[in-house]
Amino acid sequence: DVVLTQTPVAQPVTLGDQASISCRSSQSLVHSNGNTYLEWYLQKPGQSPQLLIYKVSNRFSGVPDRFIGSGSGSDFTLKISRVEPEDLGVYYCFQATHDPYTFGAGTKLELK
Amino acid sequence: EVQVLESGGGLVQPGNSLKLSCATSGFTFSTAWMYWYRQFPEKRLEWVARIKAKSNNYATDYTESVKGRFTISRDDSKSSIYLQMNNLKEEDTAIYYCAWKYYWGQGVMVTVSS
Repeated sequence: DVVLTQTPVAQPVTLGDQASISCRSSQSLVHSNGNTYLEWYLQKPGQSPQLLIYKVSNRFSGVPDRFIGSGSGSDFTLKISRVEPEDLGVYYCFQATHDPYTFGAGTKLELK
Repeated sequence: EVQVLESGGGLVQPGNSLKLSCATSGFTFSTAWMYWYRQFPEKRLEWVARIKAKSNNYATDYTESVKGRFTISRDDSKSSIYLQMNNLKEEDTAIYYCAWKYYWGQGVMVTVSS
């Protein structure tokens, strides 16, 4: 199975700061069709995970442009510029290139 | 607007069965691949099962730990999917989420305990 390693486990931030989360895969996430099915989700307390980014760098409908996904192959990053209160929660990376689909262990974005 | 709504969770004893349902609306269900995911108490997320569309012969796939115990199915006339869970184990305790593509439901809690 593909292992997704997220770092850091927790990221203390001050509102208005930039935050960066890394997701490294145990193998390339480039599908045979040329797409890379790497997604980023945010889970707020008591809610289901909500999609932020799909196919590495595409923002989902309604997601603010302060969320930027980047990367290729097996190395990916989510950057959040100017963190706002509603950005706090746990971020998960997820791959749907290889069966079985797998998730990273999560990164908690929290206030300092 | 896409809607995904799970039901059927609850408390069951080990070895017993439970069936989850997921009703959807707002998209073309008949061509959709549908999924079940779960989130364990320690917050780890896991893909559980997938069912493809009629054009893919309704092919199903499962995570290794539930093979032979769980069955995913669908009813295109009701825009719904189901997860029949048999021989439940304490380690199946989790919140179960139904999903289409990028849209997840709010989840249902399944607790397996004596």
